[in-house]
Amino acid sequence: NAGVTQTPKFRVLKTGQSMTLLCAQDMNHEYMYWYRQDPGMGLRLIHYSVGEGTTAKGEVPDGYNVSRLKKQNFLLGLESAAPSQTSVYFCASSLQGRAGPRFYEQYFGPGTRLTVT
Amino acid sequence: AQSVTQLGSHVSVSEGALVLLRCNYSSSVPPYLFWYVQYPNQGLQLLLKYTSAATLVKGINGFEAEFKKSETSFHLTKPSAHMSDAAEYFCAVSGLQGGSEKLVFGKGTKLTVNP
Repeated sequence: NAGVTQTPKFRVLKTGQSMTLLCAQDMNHEYMYWYRQDPGMGLRLIHYSVGEGTTAKGEVPDGYNVSRLKKQNFLLGLESAAPSQTSVYFCASSLQGRAGPRFYEQYFGPGTRLTVT
Repeated sequence: AQSVTQLGSHVSVSEGALVLLRCNYSSSVPPYLFWYVQYPNQGLQLLLKYTSAATLVKGINGFEAEFKKSETSFHLTKPSAHMSDAAEYFCAVSGLQGGSEKLVFGKGTKLTVNP
C-alpha cells in the first residue's frame, strides 16, 4: 500500500513551458486535492475533485488545469509556466463517508518541488 | 467561512521543555479540527484530529490538543520536547466553502528544539 505518490519529485521549467504533475492513490479515496505551499503562506488549495470525472476550483486556480479521468489519478497541468508558480506542490486524498469528507483526514503525498526560471 | 490563525510563525524550546503551539479557529458550524506535522522535505502527516467526541484529543508522538469552544482554540501541547519534534506544524479546520467540504490551513508554526 503506497498511499499517495507524486511524480516527478523535482522539476525546473523555463517561463512559458508546460508540464503535468501526476498524483496517484491506492486507497480507493473519492476526494483528491492539489495544494501549493509557499513560505509563510501555509497550504493553499488549487483544485480538487469529489470523484472520477469531476473537478472544481479551489482558492488559487489561475494558471492551472486538472483532470480526473480515473479514480486513482489526479493530474495537475501548467500550460504556460510563470515564475510565480515556483512552489512545492502537494497532492492529497480523503475518504467520502456518511459523515461527510470533512470528518476524514487527508493523506498527503511527498510533494513536487517546481522551479520556474 | 472557516479560518484558522496560528500564533507565532516560529517557536523555539529546549529539549525536555513543554511544547505549546497555539491555534484559534473561526467557524459558523461545529468544527472538525486537525493538526498536521511536516518534517523537512516531506509531506504532511496527521498528528491528531477533533471530531466532536472528547475535547482532549491524544495524537501520535506524545502530542495532545484540547478543544475549547469558549475560547475558539485548539492548542497543541507536548509535555517534554524531543529533538525529533523539530518540524513545521499546521492547524486546519474542515468546513464548507463554495458548496463543498474543504480543509483550511493555518500558515504554520516552525518548531525548533535546542539541545
